[in-house]
Amino acid sequence: GESVGLHLPTLSVQEGDNSIINCAYSNSASDYFIWYKQESGKGPQFIIDIRSNMDKRQGQRVTVLLNKTVKHLSLQIAATQPGDSAVYFCAETGGYSTLTFGKGTMLLVSP
Amino acid sequence: EADIYQTPRYLVIGTGKKITLECSQTMGHDKMYWYQQDPGMELHLIHYSYGVNSTEKGDLSSESTVSRIRTEHFPLTLESARPSHTSQYLCASSERGHGETQYFGPGTRLLVL
Repeated sequence: GESVGLHLPTLSVQEGDNSIINCAYSNSASDYFIWYKQESGKGPQFIIDIRSNMDKRQGQRVTVLLNKTVKHLSLQIAATQPGDSAVYFCAETGGYSTLTFGKGTMLLVSP
Repeated sequence: EADIYQTPRYLVIGTGKKITLECSQTMGHDKMYWYQQDPGMELHLIHYSYGVNSTEKGDLSSESTVSRIRTEHFPLTLESARPSHTSQYLCASSERGHGETQYFGPGTRLLVL
């Protein structure tokens, strides 16, 4: 059911700055990781993924870093734009199990 | 752009009513999923399917049921809606195999009075 009054971690940046959103995961068996972007009123949208045999992957203006030693994932967005404002979720999976989503971080980009 | 559709987008309904949330995908994906998401919260898996005639319960206990008679269609049914069912319901699909990206529909926002 509905839960109100709970607040997402929020990252506020200026347009043009670089943004870094972090995610900690707990399952050491996870071997595939995805970052999703969710704008208000929409479903999550795939941004970038990475497999555990890599520690870095780059896309257009986005980079994902994976540190398996400390079970940490980060999403870097270069030259952040107002259109990047959204909630960002990391998700992980291991073996043939389903995706487990993290709690989400709200990115607010001001002009 | 993912071709996955959900209807209705918004639904307001009274307690005790039976409702079916529709989800269709045109990508030929074998795997489909239903998630529940409260505002500002993470997604919780309530049902999934590996293919036709396959349905599995997810991590979150749910009073809903699903069916998978056709590859492209994965409806979710609540037999008797309650205010505690008020939430957003997201459908997703992915190709067969491990570590395949899930593509999401726009969601159905349900309000039960």
